Amino acid sequence: RKEVEQDPGPFNVPEGATVAFNCTYSNSASQSFFWYRQDCRKEPKLLMSVYSSGNEDGRFTAQLNRASQYISLLIRDSKLSDSATYLCAVIVYGNKLVFGAGTILRVKS
Amino acid sequence: SAVISQKPSRDICQRGTSLTIQCQVDSQVTMMFWYRQQPGQSLTLIATANQGSEATYESGFVIDKFPISRPNLTFSTLTVSNLSPEDSSIYLCSAGFNYGYTFGSGTRLTVV
Repeated sequence: RKEVEQDPGPFNVPEGATVAFNCTYSNSASQSFFWYRQDCRKEPKLLMSVYSSGNEDGRFTAQLNRASQYISLLIRDSKLSDSATYLCAVIVYGNKLVFGAGTILRVKS
Repeated sequence: SAVISQKPSRDICQRGTSLTIQCQVDSQVTMMFWYRQQPGQSLTLIATANQGSEATYESGFVIDKFPISRPNLTFSTLTVSNLSPEDSSIYLCSAGFNYGYTFGSGTRLTVV
């Protein structure tokens, strides 16, 4: 079983739509979780950390469900500029950051 | 947030040669890592670059092929040795901070 699993998509949504991504992780001892955004031919950029209490940053909301071992990212009012690959990442033993395969989002007008 | 300068940004190399990639962080950091991202794939961790000691390699990666240096808390190099076309990929360094992990801009390697 992979340490971090994501649906690769692509998710094709119209502008203004709400879209949600889930990501599951296998190590129940994992403590830190992140969502990254990666644009084509660019490095991943940290979008947000995921806390146990959940966190929100503008149109983006991230949540953690420890019991089911998954994290989620919700994007409201999608913009064309949100089109990218969204990577979930989990810190495992040795402070190593392990990535999921990434979910492709395409927002269309 | 911290800034990581990675170079070269791209290179085309002959098979059998080696390429050394450098990463400079603008602040001291304990944790530095090297990743590979093959076309259309996610990031795979190659190794953890340990300051003052040998790097810690992930399964499938060995020191002879991917020697790593970490002479201080702001700098690291990754060498990809004895290049073959299968090594064509993007290589990224990363540094870990309390708020998350930051990445260099990547090195796009093409082996011909």
